[in-house]
Amino acid sequence: NAGVTQTPKFRILKIGQSMTLQCTQDMNHNYMYWYRQDPGMGLKLIYYSVGAGITDKGEVPNGYNVSRSTTEDFPLRLELAAPSQTSVYFCASSDRAKNIQYFGAGTRLSVL
Amino acid sequence: QKEVEQDPGPLSVPEGAIVSLNCTYSNSAFQYFMWYRQYSRKGPELLMYTYSSGNKEDGRFTAQVDKSSKYISLFIRDSQPSDSATYLCAMRYSGGGADGLTFGKGTHLIIQP
Repeated sequence: NAGVTQTPKFRILKIGQSMTLQCTQDMNHNYMYWYRQDPGMGLKLIYYSVGAGITDKGEVPNGYNVSRSTTEDFPLRLELAAPSQTSVYFCASSDRAKNIQYFGAGTRLSVL
Repeated sequence: QKEVEQDPGPLSVPEGAIVSLNCTYSNSAFQYFMWYRQYSRKGPELLMYTYSSGNKEDGRFTAQVDKSSKYISLFIRDSQPSDSATYLCAMRYSGGGADGLTFGKGTHLIIQP
């Protein structure tokens, strides 16, 4: 009964470093999403995917990249990390029918 | 004007009180409305899911949508300390696409024992 699993839970990066945030779901959902949540703010959509091989930009895509090679996995790549990318990142997935989104526990990222 | 407005609180009420949480929105194209609960350092979990206008009840929780006023509410009856969390309203457009959700900033709710 895992649902949406995100790794790592916490990470500290130095400015200019790169990293990949991992997300996997076991619900066979077609749709997957990446959001970021800043203190006192709602969640902002970074990227989303409607299926393997198909991705699209959300509201705040700059500085990020994604790929979707399988139904289960949707990694988020940060290139050249900047302090503005300090945030909590949430991955979500949903089915095509009702599009109810289920969230992972989040990755807390600090860029110093 | 932001698309979704939600008072961040904190809202502090005594145990057993009825809680009212609200969001207003500006885009009349929103058709699906959700309330998520988020405990500290956890991911959001879906509480209520409604389509278009009307009421939906689930246990102690009631969601209301008034599309004519662009206003949605979540009521919690017989509030418990375990209800203390941040409540996020969310909404999306109609259609079969994979639209992401548009969220309010969340209301931090504290239920005092």
